[in-house]
Amino acid sequence: GEDVEQSLFLSVREGDSSVINCTYTDSSSTYLYWYKQEPGAGLQLLTYIFSNMDMKQDQRLTVLLNKKDKHLSLRIADTQTGDSAIYFCAEIPTSGTYKYIFGTGTRLKVLA
Amino acid sequence: DTGVSQNPRHKITKRGQNVTFRCDPISEHNRLYWYRQTLGQGPEFLTYFQNEAQLEKSRLLSDRFSAERPKGSFSTLEIQRTEQGDSAMYLCASSHRTGNDGYTFGSGTRLTVV
Repeated sequence: GEDVEQSLFLSVREGDSSVINCTYTDSSSTYLYWYKQEPGAGLQLLTYIFSNMDMKQDQRLTVLLNKKDKHLSLRIADTQTGDSAIYFCAEIPTSGTYKYIFGTGTRLKVLA
Repeated sequence: DTGVSQNPRHKITKRGQNVTFRCDPISEHNRLYWYRQTLGQGPEFLTYFQNEAQLEKSRLLSDRFSAERPKGSFSTLEIQRTEQGDSAMYLCASSHRTGNDGYTFGSGTRLTVV
């Protein structure tokens, strides 16, 4: 089946690091993505990683990819209250289409 | 370009009525996607277009749903004979042809069927 799994909730204190985890399904997926959704809004692309990479860093964001375990993580350094949102990972399965398969989302709550 | 624009933002309709949503993508993007998101879930794929051609439809898109992109620019999503189960956020996104560098999403249209 096509299920991208994420834990539902994460709570961290302001200034700490957050790590959001995702397990995807298609070992042949070439691109994997992280999106952020704030209440009542659409999804905002945060970052993406190509499958031949193990790590990608972009300012406070670090993406780690373990292809063997089909595990993707997003680390947010120095988490701020403005980072409170739902975070979705997504893959494009190599089935000849460009549709995303999204996870169920992780709700990040940052405590002041 | 102001991004992907969706109208209306909110729609409340009575069961059995027809509704139509509009999406204006980023002008240089030739791919356009529709997704549906219910509370507590990730977005689910409905359909996508490359230019005016509808290239794929999900089995979620029943006969009551139809999407068009007549001139390869804006798109409409129509739901006929709405049911309470159609209540959801309908998200539109656009991308360059490959889409590998990600989509740009609109803010969505929230449909409530009463």
